[in-house]
Amino acid sequence: AQKVTQAQTEISVVEKEDVTLDCVYETRDTTYYLFWYKQPPSGELVFLIRRNSFDEQNEISGRYSWNFQKSTSSFNFTITASQVVDSAVYFCALSEERRGKLIFGQGTELSVKP
Amino acid sequence: DTGVSQNPRHKITKRGQNVTFRCDPISEHNRLYWYRQTLGQGPEFLTYFQNEAQLEKSRLLSDRFSAERPKGSFSTLEIQRTEQGDSAMYLCASSAGSLNNEQFFGPGTRLTVL
Repeated sequence: AQKVTQAQTEISVVEKEDVTLDCVYETRDTTYYLFWYKQPPSGELVFLIRRNSFDEQNEISGRYSWNFQKSTSSFNFTITASQVVDSAVYFCALSEERRGKLIFGQGTELSVKP
Repeated sequence: DTGVSQNPRHKITKRGQNVTFRCDPISEHNRLYWYRQTLGQGPEFLTYFQNEAQLEKSRLLSDRFSAERPKGSFSTLEIQRTEQGDSAMYLCASSAGSLNNEQFFGPGTRLTVL
């Protein structure tokens, strides 16, 4: 069965702190895709990143970085030097090959205080 | 450049009434997805279309729910005989290219059933 677990329900940090959001997934497929989405208070989900299961190279985009480890079935997301505008709910999601639907975790609500 | 649009943005209805939501995907995106999100949860997949063909339906989609995409462009989601448990945010997303490409989400329709 496919499943995505985001064990951290809420995280609160002070501006400029680094923060890591955890994501653990379960799937029987050898080919799959992992995603992160941001849902700000306005409510619209914003795509952040997509990785396939054959690409374990870590990725950095500005203050955002992602660590994909197949050995632990994890795809963690780190925000460096957090800002108030990073406050949002962040979702990790999984899709299996030839099945386009996304399976979402429950989300982690990040609050960045000034 | 327009993203995914959804109408109405909010709908309040009485139990037992029928409601219909519309989604206009990004132009030329051949895949269209419907998800449902309740408070504090991640989105849950309902159904998806490739062009006008409905290719997958979740068990969440009871016989009171029906979705169409008659010309492979916009889609409608109808809920008949609404129940209080149908209260949720209904999200639409679209994608193009590879089946596992990123999906772009609309702002959602918030349904409240009294």
